[in-house]
Amino acid sequence: DVQLVESGGGLVQPGGSLRLSCAASGFTFSGYNMNWVRQAPGKGLECISYISSGGSTIYYADSVKGRFTISRDNAKNSLYLQMNSLRAEDTAVYYCARHRSPQNYYYMDVWGKGTTVTVSS
Amino acid sequence: EIVLTQSPGTLSLSPGERATLSCRASQSVSSSYLAWYQQKPGQAPRLLIYGASNRATGIPDRFSGSGSGTDFTLTISRLEPEDFAVYYCQQYGSSPIFTFGPGTKVDIK
Repeated sequence: DVQLVESGGGLVQPGGSLRLSCAASGFTFSGYNMNWVRQAPGKGLECISYISSGGSTIYYADSVKGRFTISRDNAKNSLYLQMNSLRAEDTAVYYCARHRSPQNYYYMDVWGKGTTVTVSS
Repeated sequence: EIVLTQSPGTLSLSPGERATLSCRASQSVSSSYLAWYQQKPGQAPRLLIYGASNRATGIPDRFSGSGSGTDFTLTISRLEPEDFAVYYCQQYGSSPIFTFGPGTKVDIK
């Protein structure tokens, strides 16, 4: 089965740091680009980061640029999100998702179940 | 930056009825870049439609997508009990950071 499993969420104080992980299985992880998407409580979806299959191309949403770092370890079939200088507005469920772009179509076809990050004192 | 607007915010319908959800873009969007997702409470989003009108693997044919330019539509021909959820449209812009509409909630009347 194709699967993504996030971990590493929790309660952190404002200004603190957290590292999220996403373990991939059931597909050739190194062949796919990946995204992180978050959802604040009761709110919609926000795509915050992208990394290419080899890790050489990276993008961030303005809301996290300079504070979050996306990375991956293809040998470990894992995606990461290092979150620093956390703010209350970063409180959300964080999903990793597989990015697809076959034949000029663009979408995310596989999602993890998410991990919850709460930033509060 | 292209902004997506979805309407209505909430759609109250009964099982068996037809649902028509709208997604409007602030500028023209390539149909190839437009997708729809379904999200149920406590669950991750699920891809329904990509390329504005192509059903994803395993999606029932009661779901269909259409549209072009700035106006796109997701139609559920006959609502099943499991279809009551929130639906998001998504577009791909100038970078691989996708943007989403605010969502339409389809709830039971």
